[in-house]
Amino acid sequence: AQSVTQLGSHVSVSEGALVLLRCNYSSSVPPYLFWYVQYPNQGLQLLLKYTSAATLVKGINGFEAEFKKSETSFHLTKPSAHMSDAAEYFCAVRRGDNFNKFYFGSGTKLNVKP
Amino acid sequence: NAGVTQTPKFRILKIGQSMTLQCTQDMNHNYMYWYRQDPGMGLKLIYYSVGAGITDKGEVPNGYNVSRSTTEDFPLRLELAAPSQTSVYFCASSDVISGANVLTFGAGSRLTVL
Repeated sequence: AQSVTQLGSHVSVSEGALVLLRCNYSSSVPPYLFWYVQYPNQGLQLLLKYTSAATLVKGINGFEAEFKKSETSFHLTKPSAHMSDAAEYFCAVRRGDNFNKFYFGSGTKLNVKP
Repeated sequence: NAGVTQTPKFRILKIGQSMTLQCTQDMNHNYMYWYRQDPGMGLKLIYYSVGAGITDKGEVPNGYNVSRSTTEDFPLRLELAAPSQTSVYFCASSDVISGANVLTFGAGSRLTVL
């Protein structure tokens, strides 16, 4: 079975500080991993995806994530937070052999303080 | 390019009423999905479709029905609304590109059942 765990439902950082959002997954087969962002009253937008080509994945808006198989983790980072990064972030996993079943974490709300 | 369009954006229903949430995509994607989002619970898959005429249940299908008569449209029907169906509903679509299909989401439909 597949599952996704996001540690911390709320994370607060100061503007300019490091952003670290944690995601751990379980998957019985090699997974595809994704991070999505949701701004208030909007749908989810793709930030980045891991497809086994490279373990360090760069996404939009300066975000990146590193796939660590030994730790079954796919944490999202950004070196310097901006006020516009305030949103809810979702980690998702999809089995490599099933195009249809995406499993989402419960989400982490990022607050950026001036 | 409109992407994924959902209507209505907001709706209040009384217990026992029925309604249909509409979803249309103009990207010629084969795969379409319906998710519900509840606070602190992430997204749960209700139903999905891999092409016109083909639908299948997701994690939480009870109380819902879907149909897929065309590639573009994937309506979600609630037959007897219950308070437990109060949620935000998201339609999404995807196509398989290089084995890593990405979900494109609509803006969501907020449903309240009183």
